Amino acid sequence: EVHLVQSGAEVKKSGESLNISCKVSGYSFTNYWIGWVRQTPGKGLDWMGIIYPANSDAIYSPSFQGQVSISADESISTAYLQWSSLRASDTAIYYCARTFYYDDSAYFDFWGQGTLVTVSS
Amino acid sequence: QSALTQPPSASGSPGQSVTISCTGTSSDVGGYHYVSWYQQHPGKAPKLMIYEVNKRPSGVPDRFSGSKSGNTASLTVSGLQADDEADYYCSSSAGSNNFVVFGGGTKLTVL
Repeated sequence: EVHLVQSGAEVKKSGESLNISCKVSGYSFTNYWIGWVRQTPGKGLDWMGIIYPANSDAIYSPSFQGQVSISADESISTAYLQWSSLRASDTAIYYCARTFYYDDSAYFDFWGQGTLVTVSS
Repeated sequence: QSALTQPPSASGSPGQSVTISCTGTSSDVGGYHYVSWYQQHPGKAPKLMIYEVNKRPSGVPDRFSGSKSGNTASLTVSGLQADDEADYYCSSSAGSNNFVVFGGGTKLTVL
């Protein structure tokens, strides 16, 4: 059974760095892309980027390019979403999801439970 | 403002059918056969219901169906059940630079 288990909620201050994780099980980590999706209250879903763990090839949404970093550790089947300097506007729930990426399109078939990130100014 | 336009709300009685629309442009919905739909219950992660316009993942009831005409995609839920009450989001490719764009979501209420 496919599972994506994310790290717990975080409370941070503006300017701080943060790294949240997504550990997968139930399938071969290196055979599928992993994506990250942001959900802000009342504003719906935003795709942030995807990574292919086998070679760490990452593709970012134009809206998030340069704002976050996505990485993966094949040895522990875990993907990461990282910020070097948080802003209050980063307050949101972040989901990781197994991703099918092909023909300049992607969809997400299994999702983590979400990580709430709260950033105070 | 979301790239794709969905009605904020939709409703139907148990057993009825309801259709949720997702309107984009020729640069996204109209230009690709890659529309997905996600269901999200309160406090839960989204769940994939439809991909590639009209394909259902394993385990999704055939009461859920998808279609597309021009720049508008649709999700139809037939034989409404109480558990169908949730938020529904559409998604489409918008080209090589931005291959996932979402709609703003539709809250489906089962009366």
